[in-house]
Amino acid sequence: QSVLTQPPSVSGAPGQRVTISCTGNRSNIGAGYDVHWYQHLPGTAPKLLIYGNTNRPSGVPDRFSGSKSGTSASLAITGLQAEDEADYYCQSYDNSLSGRGVFGGGTKLTVL
Amino acid sequence: QAQLVQSGVEVKKPGASVKVSCRASGYTFNSYGIIWVRQAPGHGLEWMGWSSAYNGDTNYAQMVQDRVTMTTDISTGTAYMELRSLRTDDTAVYFCARSVRKSAAGTIWGQGTLVTVSA
Repeated sequence: QSVLTQPPSVSGAPGQRVTISCTGNRSNIGAGYDVHWYQHLPGTAPKLLIYGNTNRPSGVPDRFSGSKSGTSASLAITGLQAEDEADYYCQSYDNSLSGRGVFGGGTKLTVL
Repeated sequence: QAQLVQSGVEVKKPGASVKVSCRASGYTFNSYGIIWVRQAPGHGLEWMGWSSAYNGDTNYAQMVQDRVTMTTDISTGTAYMELRSLRTDDTAVYFCARSVRKSAAGTIWGQGTLVTVSA
């Protein structure tokens, strides 16, 4: 059971917009800790998409955007492309149990 | 450019220890920390801990804190993660990533190290 809750799967047709939610509580996202998002393809290292809730590293297309409100965060992907098919993870920090980083369970994005 | 290169595949028996290395290049090693993340087969990403290359501070996840030691060697620009008393459910790909603090994102990632624990 992950501390951060993500939908197991989402899907969309090419060109469409999808969002992936990440729900936490008052000891992690709600405590003010930043949320980060990664794209992960099997057999490769995770790729950072969004850091500090809304910031994109250089090289990440502006089709990817992040937001945060209260105890939740979201990743939005517009103009879906076949190459976006991957697993997506949110990450934050939790101040319970002496403090630790936490990931969501991951969301499989399927491009129809 | 900044990069992290990890050590190779490990096969261990239950009860043994493993030490994975993560060598940094292309940036000032002691200005950052390193987080360690693992992914077991069929499972998601799991945060294991963080170590500071600046002052040696560490922050371990409770699920491994009694069995793990994370260190950094500034002289060689290398981070290490040692996991003891290995169990079969420690079988996973282990990743290191550069992170400015324990709550920050992993900005640069190693290629991953497969650790297999099997009798």
